[in-house]
Amino acid sequence: QQQVKQSPQSLIVQKGGIPIINCAYENTAFDYFPWYQQFPGKGPALLIAIRPDVSEKKEGRFTISFNKSAKQFSLHIMDSQPGDSATYFCAASIWLWDTDKLIFGTGTRLQVFP
Amino acid sequence: NAGVTQTPKFQVLKTGQSMTLQCAQDMNHNSMYWYRQDPGMGLRLIYYSASEGTTDKGEVPNGYNVSRLNKREFSLRLESAAPSQTSVYFCASSLLGANTEAFFGQGTRLTVV
Repeated sequence: QQQVKQSPQSLIVQKGGIPIINCAYENTAFDYFPWYQQFPGKGPALLIAIRPDVSEKKEGRFTISFNKSAKQFSLHIMDSQPGDSATYFCAASIWLWDTDKLIFGTGTRLQVFP
Repeated sequence: NAGVTQTPKFQVLKTGQSMTLQCAQDMNHNSMYWYRQDPGMGLRLIYYSASEGTTDKGEVPNGYNVSRLNKREFSLRLESAAPSQTSVYFCASSLLGANTEAFFGQGTRLTVV
């Protein structure tokens, strides 16, 4: 119930392509869905996040699509660049009076070739 | 601002040794977290602290203990290290819980031989 399932494990695209990373969850108590980007040797950093009351959010070239009924959400990277090569993690959080958990997916390693 | 600072950055331990990983944040955040990152497993929550004076177990707490020393500091202790605890450990903090942006440290790469 606490899991967040992420796919694919790795992704290779050419510059300008649109990689899509998918995540699914089961616990309907999750109420915040962020995506984190991690470069080698660094800690993850927040990229974009969505709350379940909206179906889509865009920030620059990054878009989250959210399907509450299917309990799925995805990250789309428009016009991908070699600098986008990194590992991407989806996550889901629960914040109640006695619970404060941010649960991550297993990660997707993205490589963008020139 | 330094953000989230973890020490040490690298550590090699022998099986059975103990050590404490230190984490401090200077952003006046209420919530702090410890994660471990293993290939193919993503980031798994070990312990979290929703506020000063409170701690609770995450997904993989066995073999670890934590202390929320004050609002700034959250330490992770391995009492008797095992090879299965070889991993990269990340500390994170957020202002108002898991529904707000989490800021991560640079990580501690721990090897248990």
